[in-house]
Formats: sequence, structure tokens, C-alpha cells
Amino acid sequence: AQSVAQPEDQVNVAEGNPLTVKCTYSVSGNPYLFWYVQYPNRGLQFLLKYITGDNLVKGSYGFEAEFNKSQTSFHLKKPSALVSDSALYFCAVKAGNQFYFGTGTSLTVIP
Amino acid sequence: EAGVTQFPSHSVIEKGQTVTLRCDPISGHDNLYWYRRVMGKEIKFLLHFVKESKQDESGMPNNRFLAERTGGTYSTLKVQPAELEDSGVYFCASSQATGPTNGYTFGSGTRLTVV
Repeated sequence: AQSVAQPEDQVNVAEGNPLTVKCTYSVSGNPYLFWYVQYPNRGLQFLLKYITGDNLVKGSYGFEAEFNKSQTSFHLKKPSALVSDSALYFCAVKAGNQFYFGTGTSLTVIP
Repeated sequence: EAGVTQFPSHSVIEKGQTVTLRCDPISGHDNLYWYRRVMGKEIKFLLHFVKESKQDESGMPNNRFLAERTGGTYSTLKVQPAELEDSGVYFCASSQATGPTNGYTFGSGTRLTVV
């Protein structure tokens, strides 16, 4: 069975500081991992994905994520947070044609 | 190109009433998906259309939910009769290709509140 865990419902970080949004996964077979972001009153927007290859994946808006197979983690990171990064972040694993999402993490960047 | 459009953006209905949600996918995308997020929990798969055919409807919670995609263009999701536990955000997504490595384009969702 496929599942994703986002252990933090809420993450607060000061503007300019590095941010991390945590995600761990459980999957049978190869892990195809995604991060999506939902800004207020907007749809889910694709940020980045890991399919194979380099464990450090770079995505939109300066975000990156590190795939760690031994820890079954795929944490989202950004070196310097912006107030505009405040949003709801979802980690997901894809199996076949289905996404299995986590419960989401609300990120607030404090000016 | 226009994105995935959903309407209404919000709907408040009474328990026992009927509600119909609509999704217009990106033009040319044969694959259309419905997902929903209930009460701050994870976003869960409901069903997948390929053109007008239901490819996978394993996530549909019960027979009060009916999804259609006549003509293979827009899709509707009807809830009849609505129950309190149906409250949540219903997302639609579309894609040109399928497979585990492809992402989807999601709409902004319909927030359904059943009172």
C-alpha cells in the first residue's frame, strides 16, 4: 500500500531563514514523489518531482527536495524563505495513475 | 492555455439536497480526475476518466456520488442526497499522458459545505 506522512500540520519560519517541510513515504515498488503547493484561492500547483537519478531535485520558485531512500523521506527545502511562500504544501507519491497525498503542511513565513 | 476550471468555487447546501460540481479540463486532455480533501485530511482519489469512459472509480465513497463525462469534454460530479460528511474541497485535474511519472494540472477546487 502507498502512503505519505507529513508530520507537521503547521510550520512557521522567519523571512530570510531556511525552511524545511517534512515528508516520509511508504511505497511498494519504485517511489515517484511529488510536491504540490496550494496558494489561497488557487489550485494545486506542481513544484517538483523525483523519478530517478540525482537525489537532490530542484523545482519552481527556488524550492528543492532531497530524496533519501534509507530514511524513506522527501523533505522540501528552500534556502531563504519569502513571505510569498506562505501556502499549503502537499507531498504525494504516485502509483500507476493515482496520487496518494499527505495531509498537507501549512507554511507561514513571518516578515 | 487555459487551466482546469471548476465551478462553483463554493457551495453551501442543506443535508439531503443535491449538488452538482463541474470541471472543465485543459483542452485536449483525455484524462480527467476527481479528488477530494475532507476536513483537513489528505487529498484522496475519487475517480479517473479517459475521454468519456470511467477508467478507475475505486475511490468513489458510495452510490450517492455520480460522475459523468459525456462527450469526453467537461465532467460533472453529483452528490445526491448530500450528507454532512461530504463536506470538503473537491479537486479536478487533467492530464494528456498517464503513468506514474506524469503530474497533473489541478483546478482550484470547489469547497462544498453541507449543513
